[in-house]
Amino acid sequence: ETGVTQTPRHLVMGMTNKKSLKCEQHLGHNAMYWYKQSAKKPLELMFVYSLEERVENNSVPSRFSPECPNSSHLFLHLHTLQPEDSALYLCASSQDRASYEQYFGPGTRLTVT
Amino acid sequence: DQQVKQNSPSLSVQEGRISILNCDYTNSMFDYFLWYKKYPAEGPTFLISISSIKDKNEDGRFTVFLNKSAKHLSLHIVPSQPGDSAVYFCAASAKLQKGAQKLVFGQGTRLTINP
Repeated sequence: ETGVTQTPRHLVMGMTNKKSLKCEQHLGHNAMYWYKQSAKKPLELMFVYSLEERVENNSVPSRFSPECPNSSHLFLHLHTLQPEDSALYLCASSQDRASYEQYFGPGTRLTVT
Repeated sequence: DQQVKQNSPSLSVQEGRISILNCDYTNSMFDYFLWYKKYPAEGPTFLISISSIKDKNEDGRFTVFLNKSAKHLSLHIVPSQPGDSAVYFCAASAKLQKGAQKLVFGQGTRLTINP
């Protein structure tokens, strides 16, 4: 595997379910990010981890819970979501500020029914 | 309030001509600006960036111009090719702790290159 991978690619869940999104980066980066892209809205930053420590939490509802067990893996735990949480969830990684670039995974398309 | 705006949701350009995508921002604290390209069912792919202390950066067919006084940047693609058809996102970077950065994205512009 190369770059940033995300699983699953598609997820349909009910409002009472609990599920997790997984992200893995194979680039040796030390910062990882969760973004949300809703229809007709710009990408919104949700969480940032750097050196496995959360450094940004953008007023995200507590039904979204991130976890970063090491610098290569990032999870987003979901529980009691609402239909308006249906969106594309993108993971990204970066290395310090050497290049300012963030490398994105392909995203998980989440539908809450 | 949206700190990064792309006011054109779509743009159609003939193959071989120049494509110009525009972006405006409001926060003077942004220190780097980036353009990303996105195809359907894929994540955004980094294209080109520019530091806030520069006014131009060129990479092959892609050139980004920054006008700090107007808080405006643009991406020029010349000559445009059919493979350039995608959604283009402008993003502005701000520092966070521990070497991380925060990217604030515009809404995107869908570019279509016509043969």
